Amino acid sequence: DAGITQSPRHKVTETGTPVTLRCHQTENHRYMYWYRQDPGHGLRLIHYSYGVKDTDKGEVSDGYSVSRSKTEDFLLTLESATSSQTSVYFCAISGNNEQFFGPGTRLTVL
Amino acid sequence: QQPVQSPQAVILREGEDAVINCSSSKALYSVHWYRQKHGEAPVFLMILLKGGEQKGHEKISASFNEKKQQSSLYLTASQLSYSGTYFCGTEILGATDKLIFGTGTRLQVFP
Repeated sequence: DAGITQSPRHKVTETGTPVTLRCHQTENHRYMYWYRQDPGHGLRLIHYSYGVKDTDKGEVSDGYSVSRSKTEDFLLTLESATSSQTSVYFCAISGNNEQFFGPGTRLTVL
Repeated sequence: QQPVQSPQAVILREGEDAVINCSSSKALYSVHWYRQKHGEAPVFLMILLKGGEQKGHEKISASFNEKKQQSSLYLTASQLSYSGTYFCGTEILGATDKLIFGTGTRLQVFP
């Protein structure tokens, strides 16, 4: 299995608070991705990174920011969480023409 | 831009066959197929590249019609373990550093 972990695995937070989710890989892959998964919408790309300090927006980037200061870590930040950001968040890395997904983070914004 | 998958849901008995379709409005470089079981992360099944041949994985195979920007996933002689949600992910020509996923097809196989 690809070495990819996410933390925390579950989080409950209040509207308006900042939240940071962490994705860590041990595969030294260049590309990393953040998705959110909601019923009826499948997996939607939030942001992705193609190298240290190199990031780009995905389909649903509003309200999210990312940072990648090291190859192994990709952080997703919700500056001011809203209830519409309640979702399951998956991180993925890309290698050999396939994406490997982390275990996911279930985020609930009250 | 999100590819359209059909059907949205399929119910099968063990041993029956199913076809899941994925259609994009954009010119594609490749199509990826993933399966996700409840409460788990999606898992890669196969990739079909532009100009490539049909691929297979156990009793699961797929095709890619480049002219129609469509892909189909074929599940033959289904097993209980095939249950889950299937997603196609598309790489658009000119933007091949990311996947755009469809909304998924839920497959349930009963004994």
